[in-house]
Amino acid sequence: AQTVTQSQPEMSVQEAETVTLSCTYDTSENNYYLFWYKQPPSRQMILVIRQEAYKQQNATENRFSVNFQKAAKSFSLKISDSQLGDTAMYFCAFMKNQFYFGTGTSLTVIP
Amino acid sequence: DVKVTQSSRYLVKRTGEKVFLECVQDMDHENMFWYRQDPGLGLRLIYFSYDVKMKEKGDIPEGYSVSREKKERFSLILESASTNQTSMYLCASSSPAGGETSYEQYFGPGTRLTVT
Repeated sequence: AQTVTQSQPEMSVQEAETVTLSCTYDTSENNYYLFWYKQPPSRQMILVIRQEAYKQQNATENRFSVNFQKAAKSFSLKISDSQLGDTAMYFCAFMKNQFYFGTGTSLTVIP
Repeated sequence: DVKVTQSSRYLVKRTGEKVFLECVQDMDHENMFWYRQDPGLGLRLIYFSYDVKMKEKGDIPEGYSVSREKKERFSLILESASTNQTSMYLCASSSPAGGETSYEQYFGPGTRLTVT
């Protein structure tokens, strides 16, 4: 089975600052997908960003971007200009035949 | 917008009861999934289905079964609920390979089940 590791259980960032959430994974596969999901307090899990492993270019969605290092099996999420609404649990996920999720990072944006 | 709904947000059951958790999606997705979410453990896959009447075990299927009689509906069944099944249960659906949204999972709001 693949494993996904998020080594930061909790993080905080000042509003308007930039924060990076780390994620590493272990796989022998060459083609796969990677995702970051966000789960706000008491709200539904939603997709933040996705990356196909065959694409070298890092994915970007507005204030969210990833740093995908395939050789290092690393997939970090950068949030720029942090907003109060970014406060949530963030899950990194690996997909090949089935999804494997990390244990999550609880991010708090401080006003 | 994709909508995934779950029959209950909160549920309290007694040990030994048979419990049904229902999930319905309205996007004609082939793939559906059941996870449980526990603090410090993230999401763990219980069962998934890539087609009607088809089911596959995930990482923690023990104590659970599933039913998929129609494409839009995927039910999780706890045959005899136990206290260690107290958890948040999340249903998700996704489209298969091909296209820009391949494999993106859309989640329901979750059912917080307490077994006493």
